[in-house]
Amino acid sequence: GQQVMQIPQYQHVQEGEDFTTYCNSSTTLSNIQWYKQRPGGHPVFLIQLVKSGEVKKQKRLTFQFGEAKKNSSLHITATQTTDVGTYFCAGWSGSQGNLIFGKGTKLSVKP
Amino acid sequence: DTGVSQNPRHKITKRGQNVTFRCDPISEHNRLYWYRQTLGQGPEFLTYFQNEAQLEKSRLLSDRFSAERPKGSFSTLEIQRTEQGDSAMYLCASSLASGTSGTDTQYFGPGTRLTVL
Repeated sequence: GQQVMQIPQYQHVQEGEDFTTYCNSSTTLSNIQWYKQRPGGHPVFLIQLVKSGEVKKQKRLTFQFGEAKKNSSLHITATQTTDVGTYFCAGWSGSQGNLIFGKGTKLSVKP
Repeated sequence: DTGVSQNPRHKITKRGQNVTFRCDPISEHNRLYWYRQTLGQGPEFLTYFQNEAQLEKSRLLSDRFSAERPKGSFSTLEIQRTEQGDSAMYLCASSLASGTSGTDTQYFGPGTRLTVL
């Protein structure tokens, strides 16, 4: 079945450093979504990417969808302590009715 | 608060007991999803409804699990004869259908944390 893998599993950065998490699917995706889950909280939708090669920005966050629509990345520039949490990608292949979530990348930021 | 709500927030039960969780979606949302999340993992899809119809159920979902959405509003998830392996956070999400379910923006509730002793 379809699998969505994320690396790294954990990332510790100093405040002000950049951060990137990568998401890879075993199958071509119709779309990919990114969610953020704060410690003790629930996943919160960040963005959806649909087009091959698509790049979207939200302030310090940059999201990319690969040309082959099998991988994606989230890059945070100049991390802040408010960026702490686990970032999940979730892909949909179009062959089943639900999103498949990766295991997430847990980001910690040292002030 | 007009977000997704879930009750109870925490449930401790003994192995073999039945438990039921409730999810109230955002009022105008017609799709409702149930997920299970364990420590260090992403949400794992269990099932989803469009209005009152249960359209998909994970093949991983044991027969001990059943979900309903009788009037297309709130939903319940019941686990019969609980096992220790059922211990997890059970998340509910809702969305307003914008096409296929895989492209909806899903809004998650705070979850119900189940501990089976």
